[in-house]
Amino acid sequence: GAGVSQSPSNKVTEKGKDVELRCDPISGHTALYWYRQSLGQGLEFLIYFQGNSAPDKSGLPSDRFSAERTGGSVSTLTIQRTQQEDSAVYLCASSILAGGPDEQYFGPGTRLTVT
Amino acid sequence: AQSVAQPEDQVNVAEGNPLTVKCTYSVSGNPYLFWYVQYPNRGLQFLLKYITGDNLVKGSYGFEAEFNKSQTSFHLKKPSALVSDSALYFCAVRGRGTAGNKLTFGGGTRVLVKP
Repeated sequence: GAGVSQSPSNKVTEKGKDVELRCDPISGHTALYWYRQSLGQGLEFLIYFQGNSAPDKSGLPSDRFSAERTGGSVSTLTIQRTQQEDSAVYLCASSILAGGPDEQYFGPGTRLTVT
Repeated sequence: AQSVAQPEDQVNVAEGNPLTVKCTYSVSGNPYLFWYVQYPNRGLQFLLKYITGDNLVKGSYGFEAEFNKSQTSFHLKKPSALVSDSALYFCAVRGRGTAGNKLTFGGGTRVLVKP
């Protein structure tokens, strides 16, 4: 079946602009995660959604970052007033359930470059 | 808090030789442990996981990992490395129970297999 998809694959934006990154999880997966992969910083958890529960936003680095998940499926990560330090690859993942032994399946990522 | 350490930034090995990528973790209670591999410009691919039971876990592409509770380690191994195994490898841990929703990754180990 189809895996996790993300769009766009690449995004170049000017400092101060807002950007939206999209994630389509695997059908039937109730949990959705966003991570950021920066050069030299490894993988950083941002936010996760589980069904209709309140999202865990504990990893969001500032209030310029927000995410929503509509209808328990597609998710959008929004970064307002982008800064150069926001440049990174943003990875989305989904799993059948949050927690437990289920592995997460990752999308190919969106490479964000802030100029 | 949970954490993962991958002490080696890079591992170099000749093709046909055994490959080991080290991982140690810290988590409250019993862990779920995962290994992922990332090829250039690709998302993370799941390799294997430890849930419970047998300490030796077998996964995709001939990889295996050994869980050692007393040493809090989960080293990834492959008996005979291939050039195509050259990639970035991530170890990850998740606790169980209410705190078990967040996956924490190590910093990654780059594997270079030379022909």
